[in-house]
Amino acid sequence: AQSVTQLDSQVPVFEEAPVELRCNYSSSVSVYLFWYVQYPNQGLQLLLKYLSGSTLVESINGFEAEFNKSQTSFHLRKPSVHISDTAEYFCAVSVFGNEKLTFGTGTRLTIIP
Amino acid sequence: DARVTQTPRHKVTEMGQEVTMRCQPILGHNTVFWYRQTMMQGLELLAYFRNRAPLDDSGMPKDRFSAEMPDATLATLKIQPSEPRDSAVYFCASGLREVTPEAFFGQGTRLTVV
Repeated sequence: AQSVTQLDSQVPVFEEAPVELRCNYSSSVSVYLFWYVQYPNQGLQLLLKYLSGSTLVESINGFEAEFNKSQTSFHLRKPSVHISDTAEYFCAVSVFGNEKLTFGTGTRLTIIP
Repeated sequence: DARVTQTPRHKVTEMGQEVTMRCQPILGHNTVFWYRQTMMQGLELLAYFRNRAPLDDSGMPKDRFSAEMPDATLATLKIQPSEPRDSAVYFCASGLREVTPEAFFGQGTRLTVV
């Protein structure tokens, strides 16, 4: 069975500073990896995904994540955060041949002006 | 504009009452998930379906919860009888694995059982 660990439940960051949100997964088979974002009182929106190919994937709003198979990690980074990035971020995993999508416990990103 | 639609958005009910939450998946999607989100437990997978057949409902309390897909355009999650501990936000998500493995989420139903 697959699982996801998000080590930080809350991350406060000053505006325009860089941020890294950590995600580690566990699976005995090949995986797909995702980052979702949830703004207050809304559903989850897909931020970016790793399916295959290049291990570095990017979103349209400046986030990027790198798949590291040896470290079983998929950390999310942004070089300069904005107030509008305040949200909860969820890492998720599914395995080849199975639709089941397993989420981490989430990381609340708070941007300090 | 393709999106997952959940109704109602908010529901307040008394303990012991039946609650039904509905979900309209994105047209053409063949996989439907039900998740529950609480502060204490985070996002829990309750059940999921492929082509209207339940594949895994191990996350769902069987004695009071039931999930069905009467047709390809409607998924339902029922709680009978409801209890205060069922208070949570319930999300439906849909996907089409043959095209892409991610799931697309609805806005959720916020359930409060008093």
